[in-house]
Amino acid sequence: DAGVIQSPRHEVTEMGQEVTLRCKPISGHNSLFWYRQTMMRGLELLIYFNNNVPIDDSGMPEDRFSAKMPNASFSTLKIQPSEPRDSAVYFCASSFRGQGIYGYTFGSGTRLTVV
Amino acid sequence: DQQVKQNSPSLSVQEGRISILNCDYTNSMFDYFLWYKKYPAEGPTFLISISSIKDKNEDGRFTVFLNKSAKHLSLHIVPSQPGDSAVYFCAASALRGSEKLVFGKGTKLTVNP
Repeated sequence: DAGVIQSPRHEVTEMGQEVTLRCKPISGHNSLFWYRQTMMRGLELLIYFNNNVPIDDSGMPEDRFSAKMPNASFSTLKIQPSEPRDSAVYFCASSFRGQGIYGYTFGSGTRLTVV
Repeated sequence: DQQVKQNSPSLSVQEGRISILNCDYTNSMFDYFLWYKKYPAEGPTFLISISSIKDKNEDGRFTVFLNKSAKHLSLHIVPSQPGDSAVYFCAASALRGSEKLVFGKGTKLTVNP
């Protein structure tokens, strides 16, 4: 198993541009999570899906952020327009609900820099 | 407001000695606690966990202690090894088996040879 795959690994973009981060969860996992890591706030949960349905998006900072999961093997996190304060490492994680918390597997993250 | 707090951003210890990483929480609904370890350029990986019905859980060199009355947990690593150098995140969930984890800011551990 290749694990949770995120792309790109690094993204540098100019303020105002649209940014799309991608995640492929582990095959068979039915829950998917998007986290953001910053020095100030640590690891924050942005949104999570179960069976492709958004369950909790209370962590999404504002309307500039949106996430989709069109099928069980793919999810995107989009920021439009991007701002310098969005610079952070964004992690995707997946799990199989029956395994509970033990099944959490993180991807390697996307380091986003907005200049 | 941080529901899970790791007040020490960094910790440095000598190889072979004990490393103690601390974590405090404010939400009394949390009943399951985990520690994750993160190396640079990698995602966090699960290390050890403890349920609120226990006060100690041990796995090899790693032991987690939970003090519910103080809303405090700690991770002990004995003996510490250079390969333990990483960022350690404390995490908590309300309702055992809940998938929603709340993380602290992390503590960077450096184990010096």
